[in-house]
Amino acid sequence: DAGVTQSPTHLIKTRGQHVTLRCSPISGHKSVSWYQQVLGQGPQFIFQYYEKEERGRGNFPDRFSARQFPNYSSELNVNALLLGDSALYLCASSLEGSYNSPLHFGNGTRLTVT
Amino acid sequence: ELKVEQNPLFLSMQEGKNYTIYCNYSTTSDRLYWYRQDPGKSLESLFVLLSNGAVKQEGRLMASLDTKARLSTLHITAAVHDLSATYFCAVDIKPGGGADGLTFGKGTHLIIQP
Repeated sequence: DAGVTQSPTHLIKTRGQHVTLRCSPISGHKSVSWYQQVLGQGPQFIFQYYEKEERGRGNFPDRFSARQFPNYSSELNVNALLLGDSALYLCASSLEGSYNSPLHFGNGTRLTVT
Repeated sequence: ELKVEQNPLFLSMQEGKNYTIYCNYSTTSDRLYWYRQDPGKSLESLFVLLSNGAVKQEGRLMASLDTKARLSTLHITAAVHDLSATYFCAVDIKPGGGADGLTFGKGTHLIIQP
């Protein structure tokens, strides 16, 4: 079975631009979460979506937004990019309501803002 | 605000030795997760600990959870080079279960030398 897939794998953008990152969850998983991992740090929670609705939001500015589609795939959008947005963006899927289920992470999109 | 602290943050050890990584968290939770990350790679789920006193073992790794002390440990027995990686603990305090909105520690960068 395919795992969580993310695209693109790498991206270089200029300050002020916007970016869209994409994620397809594991088949059967209805929950998708997004995390930002800055070099040398642990992942930081951005959003969680389930059945196309936002279930949780981390401490990120409104420049960050996301959505989930009927097929449970998801997009993360970041507007007005700043140098500090350079990071590895991880998407994870899980079985909602499954108490024993860990998050399954994709390989991430490495965003560089210049 | 939930805080998750790991120590040590960096550990260099020899093959064959035993060692323990500690994870302390600041808010009551009975759901704790351990992940492994290899350089340039995504996160791999190692253990899901869901109750006080939970202990899980996989190969040379054993994880435990003490919810009263708000402490989890990851014990490495007779370390081998292949265990070199960064290890993260993560805590979830969301009611209703499900691994959403995790708060990660900064990670323990483990190097195992021959």
